[in-house]
Amino acid sequence: AQSVTQPDIHITVSEGASLELRCNYSYGATPYLFWYVQSPGQGLQLLLKYFSGDTLVQGIKGFEAEFKRSQSSFNLRKPSVHWSDAAEYFCAVGAKAAGNKLTFGGGTRVLVKP
Amino acid sequence: EPEVTQTPSHQVTQMGQEVILRCVPISNHLYFYWYRQILGQKVEFLVSFYNNEISEKSEIFDDQFSVERPDGSNFTLKIRSTKLEDSAMYFCASTRDLSYEQYFGPGTRLTVT
Repeated sequence: AQSVTQPDIHITVSEGASLELRCNYSYGATPYLFWYVQSPGQGLQLLLKYFSGDTLVQGIKGFEAEFKRSQSSFNLRKPSVHWSDAAEYFCAVGAKAAGNKLTFGGGTRVLVKP
Repeated sequence: EPEVTQTPSHQVTQMGQEVILRCVPISNHLYFYWYRQILGQKVEFLVSFYNNEISEKSEIFDDQFSVERPDGSNFTLKIRSTKLEDSAMYFCASTRDLSYEQYFGPGTRLTVT
């Protein structure tokens, strides 16, 4: 069975500082990995995805993530955070063999200090 | 750019009533999904649908729930007799192939009173 852990429930970061959100997954084969962002009361916006190939993936809004198979991780990073990045971030795992149903982590809420 | 749409954006219903949540997936997509997110919690998979039948369903998707693709464009989720604990945001998603990402709709907030 698939599972996703996001160890940090809340993170507070100063505007302009770097951000890293952690994601660990459990799946027997190579999974598909995703990061979504959700602003309050809004839907899910895809930030970036990993299916195969280059393990460092670039996404929208200046985000990137690195797939590390040895650590079963897919951490999200941004070099310089903007106030508009305050939101909740969800890591998700899927797999073609599992019909690509997505299993989401519990989310990390990011607060940005001025 | 094509997008998944959902109606209504917010539905308020009384306990025991039936509700139908509607989704229009992207037109050339073949795989369809429903997820739900109880307030303050993570997004949970409910059901996947392909070729006019359910591919997989979660433990949450009990006999109170059903899905249907009544025509070539709509994909619906019906809750037969709503309970208070069904209050949540319900997201529809679609993809054209299992090797591609899912596109999510904006969600329907269901409030059961």
